[in-house]
Amino acid sequence: EVQLVESGGGLVQPGRSLKLSCLASGFTFSNYGMNWIRQAPGKGLEWVASISSSSSYIYYADTVKGRFTISRDNAKNTLYLQMTSLRSEDTALYYCARHTDPYWGQGVMVTVSS
Amino acid sequence: DVVLTQSPATLSVTPGERISLSCRASESVDTYLHWYQQKPNESPRLLIKYASQSISGIPSRFSGSGSGTDFTLSINGVELEDLSIYYCQQGNSLPYTFGAGTKLELK
Repeated sequence: EVQLVESGGGLVQPGRSLKLSCLASGFTFSNYGMNWIRQAPGKGLEWVASISSSSSYIYYADTVKGRFTISRDNAKNTLYLQMTSLRSEDTALYYCARHTDPYWGQGVMVTVSS
Repeated sequence: DVVLTQSPATLSVTPGERISLSCRASESVDTYLHWYQQKPNESPRLLIKYASQSISGIPSRFSGSGSGTDFTLSINGVELEDLSIYYCQQGNSLPYTFGAGTKLELK
């Protein structure tokens, strides 16, 4: 069974950093490109970042470029999102998602507030 | 960026009726178009992938069609449990954009 389990969320002050993780199982993680997608409370869905299977290609939404870093460790079947210089508008539920043959995790909440 | 326009924004439905939701792309996305259902306080659930491919475990009343710029999600015999928000997403070109959603409500 395919599973994506996010972790690392929480309450953080503006300007601080946070690192999210997503542990994958049930499929060959190293064969798939992966995405981070977020949803602010009461809002729609926003793509955040993508990484190819071998980390050769990495892309970011303009809203997070220069502040967020997506990475992966295929040996550990884990996807990461390092978030720095966090802003209140980054408050959202963050989902880890497989790109091809889509599959999403349950999400992890990030709240940026003083 | 590819803009996905979903219509209508809200649809009032009667259980048992057949309905269609539209998703139009500002440029061709081929068939790289997925449909999701989201209920309150739940994560999005994939209903249809690549415009028309069914998903294991999803009721057969859900179907998708289209290619290029015009796509449709159909529900053949709406049930009360289908009252939720439906999103389309394109996975053809970065950034991978989403539509604003169509909310199904009870008439």
